Amino acid sequence: DIVMTQSPDSLAVSLGERATMNCKSSQSVLYSSNSKNYLAWYQQKPGQPPKLLIYWASTRESGVPDRFSGSGSGTDFTLTISSLQAEDVAVYYCQQYDTSPATFGQGTKLEIK
Amino acid sequence: QVQLVQSGAEVKKPGASVKVSCKASQYTFTSYYMHWVRQAPGQGLEWMGVINPSGGSTSYAQKFQGRVTMTSDTSTSTLYMELSSLRSEDTAVYYCARGSHTGTANYHFFDYWGQGTLVTVSS
Repeated sequence: DIVMTQSPDSLAVSLGERATMNCKSSQSVLYSSNSKNYLAWYQQKPGQPPKLLIYWASTRESGVPDRFSGSGSGTDFTLTISSLQAEDVAVYYCQQYDTSPATFGQGTKLEIK
Repeated sequence: QVQLVQSGAEVKKPGASVKVSCKASQYTFTSYYMHWVRQAPGQGLEWMGVINPSGGSTSYAQKFQGRVTMTSDTSTSTLYMELSSLRSEDTAVYYCARGSHTGTANYHFFDYWGQGTLVTVSS
């Protein structure tokens, strides 16, 4: 199985500041035939199911604020929140869907400093 | 708005089975792959398997092969996930989640999720 490793485990950022978190896969999730990275990001708030933010590594899901952006390719990916809002406090998970079984990172917990 | 409404919490004894339901609405049920993902208390997310509601073909994570059965009822737009031979490590919130359109490749990322069903396995 592909192992997804997120860093850091937790992150504290001031309101209005940039938050950056990383995700590394144990093997490339870039599919050469279509040049797409099979990588998604989710946000999960306490007591709620995960919410899809980003897929294909950088495509924002409909309705997701544009302060959320995804980047990276191959094995190294980043989720950036350009200006942290109070409602962004959550755990963020990356997920690869290149190879079955789909696997998730352990999560990055984002808090307000 | 797409809705996935799951059945209520369950408490089971070790060795028993549990069957969780997920009723879909506000979209064409047979047009999207459906997945089950679980989350142990305070832990991360674990993909269990996928079903094509149109025809019922399934694919399960190897970890759950032989213990999980996913089915669909197109007449009621309801999915079912049955997990047998329960052990304490199966205590988790179980989610149904919508995947890609069946007219495309079966991409395993999930745009809508049910509210989750807590299954507790305890003697």
